[in-house]
Amino acid sequence: DAGITQSPRHKVTETGTPVTLRCHQTENHRYMYWYRQDPGHGLRLIHYSYGVKDTDKGEVSDGYSVSRSKTEDFLLTLESATSSQTSVYFCAISERQGNMNSPLHFGNGTRLTVT
Amino acid sequence: TQLLEQSPQFLSIQEGENLTVYCNSSSVFSSLQWYRQEPGEGPVLLVTVVTGGEVKKLKRLTFQFGDARKDSSLHITAAQPGDTGLYLCAGAWNYGQNFVFGPGTRLSVLP
Repeated sequence: DAGITQSPRHKVTETGTPVTLRCHQTENHRYMYWYRQDPGHGLRLIHYSYGVKDTDKGEVSDGYSVSRSKTEDFLLTLESATSSQTSVYFCAISERQGNMNSPLHFGNGTRLTVT
Repeated sequence: TQLLEQSPQFLSIQEGENLTVYCNSSSVFSSLQWYRQEPGEGPVLLVTVVTGGEVKKLKRLTFQFGDARKDSSLHITAAQPGDTGLYLCAGAWNYGQNFVFGPGTRLSVLP
């Protein structure tokens, strides 16, 4: 199994509070991704990183920011959590972007509930 | 935004039955992947298909890529309870583009 650790695994927070989710990899892969998974929507890309301090937006980036200060760590921050951000968040890594020979490897997810 | 559709959304069958699930798009894929996700875990890659008409087999699972590279199917023979999970297809329409995921087919195989 790819070495990807997400923390925390579960979190309950109140509307308006800031929240940071962490993804840590031990594979030295260049690309890291944050997805959210909601019923009926599959996995939707929030942000991704193509190197240290290099990030870009995905299809559902509003309300989220990311940072990558080290190859192994990719942080997802909800500046002011809203109930619509209640979801399961997955981190993924890959050696190359959108490459048939470079699959995505996923962590086990963080279940976030915003009350 | 290019979309992937998957059908059926839910499928519940008895152990030993065969089944097929589908993934399709209105645009041509450069490559397509199938993942399986079990409860409480992240998706795990099953297969990647690239060439139109390509067929790949993984034990009791058969994956087919449409000739026009706009659709794909996953056929499971003699389903087992261990096949239970969410099956996701993910497509890229251009080389180097991030993969886009479909909504998934949730399969339940009853003993």
